[in-house]
Amino acid sequence: DVKVTQSSRYLVKRTGEKVFLECVQDMDHENMFWYRQDPGLGLRLIYFSYDVKMKEKGDIPEGYSVSREKKERFSLILESASTNQTSMYLCASSLMTKLFFGSGTQLSVL
Amino acid sequence: TQLLEQSPQFLSIQEGENLTVYCNSSSVFSSLQWYRQEPGEGPVLLVTVVTGGEVKKLKRLTFQFGDARKDSSLHITAAQPGDTGLYLCAGIVYKLSFGAGTTVTVRA
Repeated sequence: DVKVTQSSRYLVKRTGEKVFLECVQDMDHENMFWYRQDPGLGLRLIYFSYDVKMKEKGDIPEGYSVSREKKERFSLILESASTNQTSMYLCASSLMTKLFFGSGTQLSVL
Repeated sequence: TQLLEQSPQFLSIQEGENLTVYCNSSSVFSSLQWYRQEPGEGPVLLVTVVTGGEVKKLKRLTFQFGDARKDSSLHITAAQPGDTGLYLCAGIVYKLSFGAGTTVTVRA
């Protein structure tokens, strides 16, 4: 069965902390994505990667960076967390245009 | 501004009733997808529609893609509590964009 695993379901961090969100997929997909989901705004694309060590900015990359050292792992980094980054973060991988999502990480920045 | 507008934003109905959710845009999409997201989980793809006027059925769910490929609808017949969730449409112009979603609650 297809699986995208996000390392944490809930995370509480303080303003200014460096935060790492980890995502692993077991489907050998080339493409991986990070979205944030906020009520009334839907899913907004932060970054995506179409190959190892490759990354592309999405619609809202400011304040975030990513790392993809291995095909199966895509990490989202908040260099200095701020309260406006409190959100649900969803990782996905894709086969063609079909996205497979992880269960999400609810991040609270205090 | 959302590329895809979904309506209504919230929908609460009794078990056994029918419901329709709409997804509209001024853009023409090469394809459109519907996802369902249950509480505490990520979205799961239900269907992809590609051809204008296309109708797809998935058990009690009927998906329709508009003739001009600018809009879509999701109709659920005889809704059940298990249909409760956030329904998201997503369309591809040059990239995949999501609507804000419709939260559906089916009361037993």
